[in-house]
Amino acid sequence: DGGITQSPKYLFRKEGQNVTLSCEQNLNHDAMYWYRQDPGQGLRLIYYSQIVNDFQKGDIAEGYSVSREKKESFPLTVTSAQKNPTAFYLCASSMGGEQYFGPGTRLTVT
Amino acid sequence: GENVEQHPSTLSVQEGDSAVIKCTYSDSASNYFPWYKQELGKRPQLIIDIRSNVGEKKDQRIAVTLNKTAKHFSLHITETQPEDSAVYFCAASWVTGGGNKLTFGTGTQLKVEL
Repeated sequence: DGGITQSPKYLFRKEGQNVTLSCEQNLNHDAMYWYRQDPGQGLRLIYYSQIVNDFQKGDIAEGYSVSREKKESFPLTVTSAQKNPTAFYLCASSMGGEQYFGPGTRLTVT
Repeated sequence: GENVEQHPSTLSVQEGDSAVIKCTYSDSASNYFPWYKQELGKRPQLIIDIRSNVGEKKDQRIAVTLNKTAKHFSLHITETQPEDSAVYFCAASWVTGGGNKLTFGTGTQLKVEL
């Protein structure tokens, strides 16, 4: 289970606050990804990065922002503009082909 | 962009029976098709994958078949066991030398009953 970590496991925030989710990997993978998972649904891509200092929007990027200043790190900020932020957030990394997932952060916004 | 449809959404089988989950994709350029297993509250884990230059791949009780012409691929689990109970996701992407943008199906809840 090592290699890609996310923190914290559970996160609670009040509506209107920005929150940053951490994702770190020591697999030396170039590419990193953020997905959102809602109950009974598949994984939807928020942002992805194929190389340091570069990233692209996925299918549901509105209300989210990312940075990729280091190869090992790809933090996700959930802004107050995200209308329905409560969800399970999964980070992944890959070197082509298989994506390895972190353990996820369950975010609850009330 | 790519669109992946997955059926059925729920599947209940008796222990020892086989289970089949089917997916279709829309982008003929896709060349990589993984299957992930996700237990409740856990991360998805890759169980098997197939590339477009192969029609079938098997790993013990698990097999995947790919029909490029029809743009569909299937997961087959034989001799099912209670620990196979989980949500299974198919996905499709076009893999380059760097990363790959996976598009996931909506998942199949598999329940293996004793």
